[in-house]
Amino acid sequence: RKEVEQDPGPFNVPEGATVAFNCTYSNSASQSFFWYRQDCRKEPKLLMSVYSSGNEDGRFTAQLNRASQYISLLIRDSKLSDSATYLCVVTYNAGNMLTFGGGTRLMVKP
Amino acid sequence: DAGVTQSPTHLIKTRGQQVTLRCSPKSGHDTVSWYQQALGQGPQFIFQYYEEEERQRGNFPDRFSGHQFPNYSSELNVNALLLGDSALYLCASSHDRLFYNEQFFGPGTRLTVL
Repeated sequence: RKEVEQDPGPFNVPEGATVAFNCTYSNSASQSFFWYRQDCRKEPKLLMSVYSSGNEDGRFTAQLNRASQYISLLIRDSKLSDSATYLCVVTYNAGNMLTFGGGTRLMVKP
Repeated sequence: DAGVTQSPTHLIKTRGQQVTLRCSPKSGHDTVSWYQQALGQGPQFIFQYYEEEERQRGNFPDRFSGHQFPNYSSELNVNALLLGDSALYLCASSHDRLFYNEQFFGPGTRLTVL
């Protein structure tokens, strides 16, 4: 079983739709949680950190459920530019080693 | 302010050969991590260098080795290349401190092993 699991997708949604991605992690000692975005043939870039209380950044909302070891990302009012692969990331120490999920691919269509 | 840079951009090698990839961290960063990303998968942690020493290592064989120089730049060496080593190799830099800080990724080196 992978340490961080995501539905690979692809998720095909129309512009303006709301889409949600889920991620589960197996190590209960996990300390920090993030969503990264990776465009085709580019490097991953930090989208947002995920906090236990939930956090929002514009159209993006991230939530963490430590008891269920579950992380989510909600994107509202999808834009064409949101098309990318979204990577769920977990760390087990002071942030030195990032453990990535396999990524969920999102395609937003006009 | 230059971000993380990597060279070369692309590389083609044959099985059994050796390869060296290079990374220069973002200005002000002292820690370099290397990741391997196979096609269609998420990046996998290879190892991390800090103060010119390997601080942490992922589940990769000894064929994968590295080095960090006094100016914080780093090299990743892979010996006895296998077809399965074909991947995007990403370097990420950060500033070491007690709590998590963001790792900034370079554009990667795409290695093809024939």
